[in-house]
Amino acid sequence: GQQLNQSPQSMFIQEGEDVSMNCTSSSIFNTWLWYKQDPGEGPVLLIALYKAGELTSNGRLTAQFGITRKDSFLNISASIPSDVGIYFCAGTSSNTGKLIFGQGTTLQVKP
Amino acid sequence: DTGVSQDPRHKITKRGQNVTFRCDPISEHNRLYWYRQTLGQGPEFLTYFQNEAQLEKSRLLSDRFSAERPKGSFSTLEIQRTEQGDSAMYLCASSLGTGPGANVLTFGAGSRLTVL
Repeated sequence: GQQLNQSPQSMFIQEGEDVSMNCTSSSIFNTWLWYKQDPGEGPVLLIALYKAGELTSNGRLTAQFGITRKDSFLNISASIPSDVGIYFCAGTSSNTGKLIFGQGTTLQVKP
Repeated sequence: DTGVSQDPRHKITKRGQNVTFRCDPISEHNRLYWYRQTLGQGPEFLTYFQNEAQLEKSRLLSDRFSAERPKGSFSTLEIQRTEQGDSAMYLCASSLGTGPGANVLTFGAGSRLTVL
């Protein structure tokens, strides 16, 4: 099925470093979401974005809805070991909740 | 509020058998979704309900798959005559059907299916 282009595919960083990942779509979205998934669990919502240009923070996490409405990025500042996991972007152009997901970014943090 | 509950968490079955998964959404959410996730991929939409009505089904949902939400509360996803390609994590999610929350899905922990 259709998927977003999410990059990078994986990251291996030192504890305390900042992290940035992004997603691009070939079509315009009206909602962008970022989820985190731990092994064997379902995705957990981190941040939801609703307007072009919107910049939203959740603790050490900051996400932006691109002004073209075709991209979004997620930043994690001062990473800690519990940030380890798979981060997914998701978006939609409707209000049905039918989300299109990226392929995920696997984050590993070295203490 | 206990979030979205799914049962069973793990199911191992032999090819050709039928399996059924259950999902209990967040009580005040009127929309319920089923997604499928294979290893190394993001979740893919299968189908969704608004109250008891099934409003959309993906082409991924073959004739062997059927989902129901008879009273607009819990939902079941049945797979008949399972095939090895059905092995995946089946994720249920729910959302409020109106306003900005319509696209904000809360996922359950998933039901992992292994078909031998």
